[in-house]
Amino acid sequence: QKEVEQDPGPLSVPEGAIVSLNCTYSNSAFQYFMWYRQYSRKGPELLMYTYSSGNKEDGRFTAQVDKSSKYISLFIRDSQPSDSATYLCASLSGGYNKLIFGAGTRLAVHP
Amino acid sequence: NAGVTQTPKFRILKIGQSMTLQCAQDMNHNYMYWYRQDPGMGLKLIYYSVGAGITDKGEVPNGYNVSRSTTEDFPLRLELAAPSQTSVYFCASSYSDRNTGELFFGEGSRLTVL
Repeated sequence: QKEVEQDPGPLSVPEGAIVSLNCTYSNSAFQYFMWYRQYSRKGPELLMYTYSSGNKEDGRFTAQVDKSSKYISLFIRDSQPSDSATYLCASLSGGYNKLIFGAGTRLAVHP
Repeated sequence: NAGVTQTPKFRILKIGQSMTLQCAQDMNHNYMYWYRQDPGMGLKLIYYSVGAGITDKGEVPNGYNVSRSTTEDFPLRLELAAPSQTSVYFCASSYSDRNTGELFFGEGSRLTVL
């Protein structure tokens, strides 16, 4: 079993839709969770991070962690074509900011 | 600030050849990493370094070597290239005093081994 699992999609939605991206993880010791966004042929960039359970909001983006079910979610409201990218969930694994990544979900937002 | 700079951006190698992927950062980060990204597989950690002179293996170190002689540079060496090493390689760096999982990535080096 992979430590962080993510459906690779692709996911295609119309502009303005609410997007839900999800991951599951297996290691109960994971405490920090991140969402990275990766545009085509670019390196990933950090979008949001959360600690333990709960929600965190940043503009149109909301990250949610449910530790009881080991579920990580990213919601995008009022999605825009510029949101078209691959979204990777990740968790801190041990020290030194080492990350375990999910496979990434490719999202396309069409006008 | 240039951030994290990787060279080359593209390279084609023949089986058995060797090469070095270069990585440099200008943010004075102590921590640096090499990941590889294969389609549908996410990023896998190859090697990491917590400071000059200190390196350690990640999840998939076989077939690779690294060195860290300065804070800025973290080259990745491929010895005896194999088709299984066809991938996109990303170098990243991070602050050592923030445990937030924020890594700064380069734009990647696309390697094909034929």
